[in-house]
Amino acid sequence: GENVEQHPSTLSVQEGDSAVIKCTYSDSASNYFPWYKQELGKRPQLIIDIRSNVGEKKDQRIAVTLNKTAKHFSLHITETQPEDSAVYFCAASNTGRRALTFGSGTRLQVQP
Amino acid sequence: GAVVSQHPSWVICKSGTSVKIECRSLDFQATTMFWYRQFPKQSLMLMATSNEGSKATYEQGVEKDKFLINHASLTLSTLTVTSAHPEDSSFYICSAPKGAGVGETQYFGPGTRLLVL
Repeated sequence: GENVEQHPSTLSVQEGDSAVIKCTYSDSASNYFPWYKQELGKRPQLIIDIRSNVGEKKDQRIAVTLNKTAKHFSLHITETQPEDSAVYFCAASNTGRRALTFGSGTRLQVQP
Repeated sequence: GAVVSQHPSWVICKSGTSVKIECRSLDFQATTMFWYRQFPKQSLMLMATSNEGSKATYEQGVEKDKFLINHASLTLSTLTVTSAHPEDSSFYICSAPKGAGVGETQYFGPGTRLLVL
């Protein structure tokens, strides 16, 4: 089955700096890669996603890149703000299996 | 977007009792729903895939007789934790996919926090 690894487990940045979180996946059949932000006690909130026919996608301060050959994808947050502080999860799925396999999570702390 | 609800949002029960959690897609139909479990400071782990009109598919290591899943309609899936024990205390989250193929997106319920005493 699919295995998703995520790094780093914790990340502390100064407000205004950029943050990068990286994930690798094992199943070459995976074709959908969402990123979720989860605040304590709440549901995961989709912040951006990318499908395997695209190499990069951007939405304001958030961008995701995908390298299918290397089987890795990354989340980039620019101009970080204190409200970006949360746990971020990457995930992967494919059209056949549909269920998401999650990475282990990254706790991002943005220092004011 | 799409809305998925869960009920109850939290529940406290005594060891040995059963607890039922409902997951509803409010504005779309979902022939498939997914149940995840999240222990404190850990990631979401898929427990089972709920299929309307057929048996659920359980992930390896998840006891199907302990975690009963019923997908009663195109908008409702239920998870019953039978004979709950303290180690079953966790955050249970369902999701429902909307769309098809490469256009599909998962929508998560708000989660149910279960505490077994």
